Amino acid sequence: AQTVTQSQPEMSVQEAETVTLSCTYDTSESDYYLFWYKQPPSRQMILVIRQEAYKQQNATENRFSVNFQKAAKSFSLKISDSQLGDAAMYFCAYKRGSSNTGKLIFGQGTTLQVKP
Amino acid sequence: DAGVIQSPRHEVTEMGQEVTLRCKPISGHNSLFWYRQTMMRGLELLIYFNNNVPIDDSGMPEDRFSAKMPNASFSTLKIQPSEPRDSAVYFCASRSGARGEKLFFGSGTQLSVL
Repeated sequence: AQTVTQSQPEMSVQEAETVTLSCTYDTSESDYYLFWYKQPPSRQMILVIRQEAYKQQNATENRFSVNFQKAAKSFSLKISDSQLGDAAMYFCAYKRGSSNTGKLIFGQGTTLQVKP
Repeated sequence: DAGVIQSPRHEVTEMGQEVTLRCKPISGHNSLFWYRQTMMRGLELLIYFNNNVPIDDSGMPEDRFSAKMPNASFSTLKIQPSEPRDSAVYFCASRSGARGEKLFFGSGTQLSVL
C-alpha cells in the first residue's frame, strides 16, 4: 500500500525567508502524481502545486517549487520569500496515475508558522 | 461555478443521534470523495464514487457510516448512531475524469458529537 510521510509536524520561518517542507512516500508504482495542498485556518484545502512522476523537471508555481527526487521517493516543497499569508498547514499527497478514479493519500501535515 | 458545496458548516449533536452531511460537487465532475480530518489520524479517505457508483469504501470505519450518491449533483454521508469519537471535520471533494486532475474541496463540516 502507498504511504505518505511528513516528518516535520511544525516549522517556522521568518517573513521574506525561504523554508523547505519535507515529504517522503512509498510506492511500487511508476506512474503517479504528487501534490502539495495548503490548509489555512479557514479550513479550505487549496492546491499549491502538482508534479507528474514521469516528468523530470521540478514543478514551479510562483514562489512555490518542489524538489522531486524519484529514486529517493522524496517530494519537498520550497517556499521562497515567505509571506504572512503562507501560514497554514501543508499536506503532501500521492495519487496513483494508472487510473482516473484513483484516490488521494495524504501525509499527516506540517504546520507552518511565519514570523513577522 | 460555486465550487464544492457542503452543508452544514457546523453540526453539534448528542451521542446516539443521526447525522447527515451533504455535498454538492462541481457540475461536470464525475468523481466524488468523502474525507475525514482529525488531529490524531490526519486526512482519511472514507469513500469515493465514480459516476455515482461507490468504488472504494474501505475507509468507512463502521456500519454506522453510510454514503450515497443518488445523482451526479448530490451526495450524503450519514452516521447513525453518532458517537463522540466521530467528532471531526468531514470534507467532500470532487474531480473531473482526467488522470492527474486536482481535487476541489468543499469547506468541510465540523461535526461535534457530545
